[in-house]
Formats: sequence, C-alpha cells, structure tokens
Amino acid sequence: EIVMTQSPPTLSVSPGERATLSCRASQSVSSDLAWYQQKPGQAPRLLIYGASTRATGIPARFSGSGSGTEFTLTISSLQSEDFAVYYCQHYNNWPPYTFGQGTKLEIK
Amino acid sequence: QVQLQESGPGLVKPSETLSLTCSVSGGSFGSNYWSWIRQSAGKGLEWIGRIYTGGSTNYNPSLKSRVTMSVDKLKNQFSLKLSSVTAADTAVYYCAREGPYDSGYYVSSLSHWGQGMLVTVSS
Repeated sequence: EIVMTQSPPTLSVSPGERATLSCRASQSVSSDLAWYQQKPGQAPRLLIYGASTRATGIPARFSGSGSGTEFTLTISSLQSEDFAVYYCQHYNNWPPYTFGQGTKLEIK
Repeated sequence: QVQLQESGPGLVKPSETLSLTCSVSGGSFGSNYWSWIRQSAGKGLEWIGRIYTGGSTNYNPSLKSRVTMSVDKLKNQFSLKLSSVTAADTAVYYCAREGPYDSGYYVSSLSHWGQGMLVTVSS
C-alpha cells in the first residue's frame, strides 16, 4: 500500500497571503494525484487531478504541481472560504487508492 | 449534474452487517466506477472499494474479507455491505463517482460525492 504523507498538519496563514501544502508518496505515483478540500459537515470537493489540472469550477488561485513522490498545492491569495482541510489522494495503483491525513488551513 | 445520496440505517449492532445504498440522479449511470469511502476521526479518509456499472469490483485488502458491493442499473443505485462490524467501523460513509472524463477516459479521482451518512456501531 502506498502511504501518503501531508505536511504540515496545520498551516496558519493570513487572508490574502499564499499557502503552500505538501504531499509525499512512499513510492512513485507518477502524476496520478488529486487534491480535495473539505469543510466541516461537508463531503470532500475535488480541486486538482492529474497533479496539476484544476477540476471544473475551481478558481485559478488553486494550483498543483509535482510528479513521482513530491507534490504541492498552492493557493495564491487566500480567501475566507479557502480555510478548510485539504487532502491529497493517489490513484496510481489499485488496490487501494489512499489519502493523506490532511492539512488544516487556518486563519492566522 | 450528477447527484449522489446515501441511505440506510444509522445505527448497527456489533457483529451485524452494515448495509448502505447510494442513489444516483442527474447523469449517466452507465460506464462508470462507483466508490465507497469512509471517514472516521481515528483513520481519516479510507477507500473501501469500487464497483463498475458492469459489476466488477475492487476492494481495499484491509476490508476485503467483510465487504460486498453490488449495483442495480435499473434503479441507478449501488450498494455496500460490511459484515461483522465493530465500533471501529463507526464512521461517516460516502459514496462517490470517479471522474472527471478527460481526454477520452474517466480519471480515477473522485469528482462527485454524496453528502455522507454517519453510521454508528453500538449495542
């Protein structure tokens, strides 16, 4: 099973600033990597797939990069609605697809 | 727009079988992979398994001995059964569809999710 490790567990950033979240895979997942945003009481929402492609309706301030084992989600200018928990997930080799433990993005 | 909705008992007794159904509306049910994921405080998000509209399945090895998934194309529904449950199976259970459709195939990320359903295992 591929283990996904996210860092940091919590990130405190001020509105308008940039946030950089990291995800590392225990072995290469090529570009088969997705990022999700989850707000309290809601299901996760797909933000990025293919490591760098924004899903439909996702604002351009969200960007993804990386391949192999190292990935980054960047939010260029944080809006109030962006404070949430973010998860990465690989889908390179079934079974199983696995998620990271999440990064909580909180207001500084 | 595809919409998914989980349904089933919210309380299951230990050693019994958890049974959930996901109803799909607003889009094509055919030629897709449909997944179950659960989220608990202790283990985060865990992929339980998936079923193709044609009936083929893939299960998480950690749960494989207790999981059965099925699909009903006539009703646009798919289902999850998890047997011999314990308190460790208490979680919010989500159903989801793989996607999006990009460059001629469905990407195996999860583009559409149900709202989730809390299932508690307790006597």
